[in-house]
This record gives sequence, structure tokens and C-alpha cells, in this order.
Amino acid sequence: NAGVTQTPKFRVLKTGQSMTLLCAQDMNHEYMYWYRQDPGMGLRLIHYSVGEGTTAKGEVPDGYNVSRLKKQNFLLGLESAAPSQTSVYFCASRESGRARNEQFFGPGTRLTVL
Amino acid sequence: KQEVTQIPAALSVPEGENLVLNCSFTDSAIYNLQWFRQDPGKGLTSLLLIQSSQREQTSGRLNASLDKSSGRSTLYIAASQPGDSATYLCAPWGNNAGNMLTFGGGTRLMVKP
Repeated sequence: NAGVTQTPKFRVLKTGQSMTLLCAQDMNHEYMYWYRQDPGMGLRLIHYSVGEGTTAKGEVPDGYNVSRLKKQNFLLGLESAAPSQTSVYFCASRESGRARNEQFFGPGTRLTVL
Repeated sequence: KQEVTQIPAALSVPEGENLVLNCSFTDSAIYNLQWFRQDPGKGLTSLLLIQSSQREQTSGRLNASLDKSSGRSTLYIAASQPGDSATYLCAPWGNNAGNMLTFGGGTRLMVKP
């Protein structure tokens, strides 16, 4: 199993450009999450999904959109990138319905917006 | 809103010492609590998951305890090694749809040979 993978690993954007970050998991997990990690702010939840075709807002959703068209993929979109979105983005997934199931994280995408 | 505090923020110890990392959270109505390790420039690796009905969980040299009523969790590392050097993150699970994690700022640990 590859676990949770993220594409791309690094990206540099100019202000106003758009891009999509892809998260894929091969563990047949129901729940998927997008977090951002910033120095001094820790990890914060952007959006999450509790199943294919569903999405919900997390703590810091503004400026981002997400889609979960396939169970194994969770896409994070930036329609018009801003310097404040410079961050490291992490995707995570887990099974639903069982208290013992941990959240598993991907390796991250480092995004710089100039 | 859940707030998570980890103390100390940084710790430097000689190899072989036993360590205690502390985590406190403001909302005791949590579902589970998970401890992670993060190496510089890397993702998060899950270390231990404590269910809300449990008081502690053990894995090798790691032992994590949970006291929901007081909003505290402790990660104990026995016989520390240089390979334990990393940032340790505590994350209680929300007791809501999606069981969202709220992260503390982490404890940055350095174990010197």
C-alpha cells in the first residue's frame, strides 16, 4: 500500500494564479481531510469529507474549494492564490465508524505564493 | 472552540533520559486523542491513539495517558535515543461529524548522543 500520497510535492505560484492539489489514498478510507501548517499556527483544518460526493468546511476554509468525486481522491483547489496561502498542505484519511482507526497523513505539499 | 497547549515547547536532553511531554485541551468532550511525530520537512507519523474510554496506551518505549475530565494527556518516552529527535504533536479528536483533529503547537525534542 502506498498509503496517502500528495501531488505535487512543491509548487511556486504567482498571486492570482490557480492550482489544484491532489490527495490519493489506497486504503479505502471514508474520511479525508486537508490541513495547512504554518509556523506559530500549527496545523489547521481547511476542509474535510466524510464520504464520496460530500465535503464540509473546517476551521480555515476561505480561499479554498474541494471536491471528492471518487472515494480515493480528495482535491484542494486555489482559484486565485494569495501570499497568505503560502504554507505546507497535508492531506489525511481514516476509516469511519471505528474508534480505533487512526488518521494517516500524506508527506505534504510545500506551496509558495509570490 | 477546542484549544490545545503543549508544554514544553522545546526540550533538549542527553541520550538515555526518560521524558514526559504534556498536552492540555480545553474541551473535554473528545472522541479520541492521537499523538504524532513529525520530522523536519516531513509529514506526520501516528504514534499512539487513545480512545476516550481508555486511560493509557503503550507502544514500545512510548506510553500515553489520557485524563479527559482534567483535559490532559501525557506522552512518556523511556530511555530516549537520538533517533527520537523530532517534533511531537498532540491532537484531540472532536466529538462531531468528521471527528476533526485540533493540534497543539508541538514539543520540539532533541536527544543528544
